[in-house]
Amino acid sequence: DTEVTQTPKHLVMGMTNKKSLKCEQHMGHRAMYWYKQKAKKPPELMFVYSYEKLSINESVPSRFSPECPNSSLLNLHLHALQPEDSALYLCASSPGLAGGRSHYEQYFGPGTRLTVT
Amino acid sequence: DAKTTQPPSMDCAEGRAANLPCNHSTISGNEYVYWYRQIHSQGPQYIIHGLKNNETNEMASLIITEDRKSSTLILPHATLRDTAVYYCIVRVEYGNKLVFGAGTILRVKS
Repeated sequence: DTEVTQTPKHLVMGMTNKKSLKCEQHMGHRAMYWYKQKAKKPPELMFVYSYEKLSINESVPSRFSPECPNSSLLNLHLHALQPEDSALYLCASSPGLAGGRSHYEQYFGPGTRLTVT
Repeated sequence: DAKTTQPPSMDCAEGRAANLPCNHSTISGNEYVYWYRQIHSQGPQYIIHGLKNNETNEMASLIITEDRKSSTLILPHATLRDTAVYYCIVRVEYGNKLVFGAGTILRVKS
């Protein structure tokens, strides 16, 4: 199983709503990522979790709150978003760096298309 | 991570080789060249990576110049399904971050 799944596929939310995006992988990967991709732009890294610990936060606003409950799951909690936060949110995973391996590909999910109204 | 420069778009005839260039003139000695692609409405997909030697896998070949300042991704027999945005990324060894540039839109035409 080399698949990263993301739910929901589409989400429309108001600026006062609280919602969550979910990402799951069963490849035994120990690093998981959230990216944001605006239309016709490249993906931009938001967060990196390594061995269930947050290792990189690219100065993302606090209205985005990541959570990694276990090595297979990654959530992104959303609260008080703005219309400019509308984008495709991509999750990715990769093997952890421990064990002497320095190079690895990231496996991406299909993304959640978020619209903030 | 070093910055990369790619042409914004390229066309290729179906069945012909697609050669996608990438300039990374400020690349450091411990930085690798990675290629990903993103087909419309999908997440990015890893293609290949290399340091200084040419690399080949079932998807593509990667040719890196001797001075490492540029590289070319080669899809030997492009098909319509290869139409996508191709991203050239330079990343340090042991690095967790992928910094995507603007990429090249490759259109394969019949």
